[in-house]
Amino acid sequence: KAGVTQTPRYLIKTRGQQVTLSCSPISGHRSVSWYQQTPGQGLQFLFEYFSETQRNKGNFPGRFSGRQFSNSRSEMNVSTLELGDSALYLCASSLGQGKINEQYFGPGTRLTVT
Amino acid sequence: AQSVTQLGSHVSVSEGALVLLRCNYSSSVPPYLFWYVQYPNQGLQLLLKYTSAATLVKGINGFEAEFKKSETSFHLTKPSAHMSDAAEYFCAVSDGTGGYNKLIFGAGTRLAVHP
Repeated sequence: KAGVTQTPRYLIKTRGQQVTLSCSPISGHRSVSWYQQTPGQGLQFLFEYFSETQRNKGNFPGRFSGRQFSNSRSEMNVSTLELGDSALYLCASSLGQGKINEQYFGPGTRLTVT
Repeated sequence: AQSVTQLGSHVSVSEGALVLLRCNYSSSVPPYLFWYVQYPNQGLQLLLKYTSAATLVKGINGFEAEFKKSETSFHLTKPSAHMSDAAEYFCAVSDGTGGYNKLIFGAGTRLAVHP
């Protein structure tokens, strides 16, 4: 079974621009969660989508948004990029139902904002 | 609010020595606890999880962890370190606050294994 894939793997953007990252979950998984990883703040939860609906949200500004498509693929968008948005963005997929959901992480997209 | 503290941002052991990575959690309700490993330029891989069944949990690659409610701890151990164990390890908690798929991670412990 193919794992979680994220595209692109690396991205360089300029302050003020916007960016869209993509995540394809494992086949059959309906939940996709997004995390931001930085040296200073560590791993932080951004949001989770399940069946095309945002189910949970972390404490990030509205510049961070996401969506999920009917095939469970998910995108996250960051508008008006700031230098502090430079990070590794990880997505994780899971079946999404019940309390214990083993989450499978993708390799991440490394975003550099200059 | 739930939180995770990993004691020691860097741990160094000799090959063949015991590995002990410490994790303490805070949660107002019984938590679910996880250990993940991250190799350079890769995502996170689940090592093991505690889901309120057995308190001693065995995971992949010879790792295990023991849930101790009285100490609010979930330390990760491996009897004999291999060079391939060098990586960063993250402890995470989920207690349903904000959703069960919302993991709260510790700051991570970088494990170095030397010959």
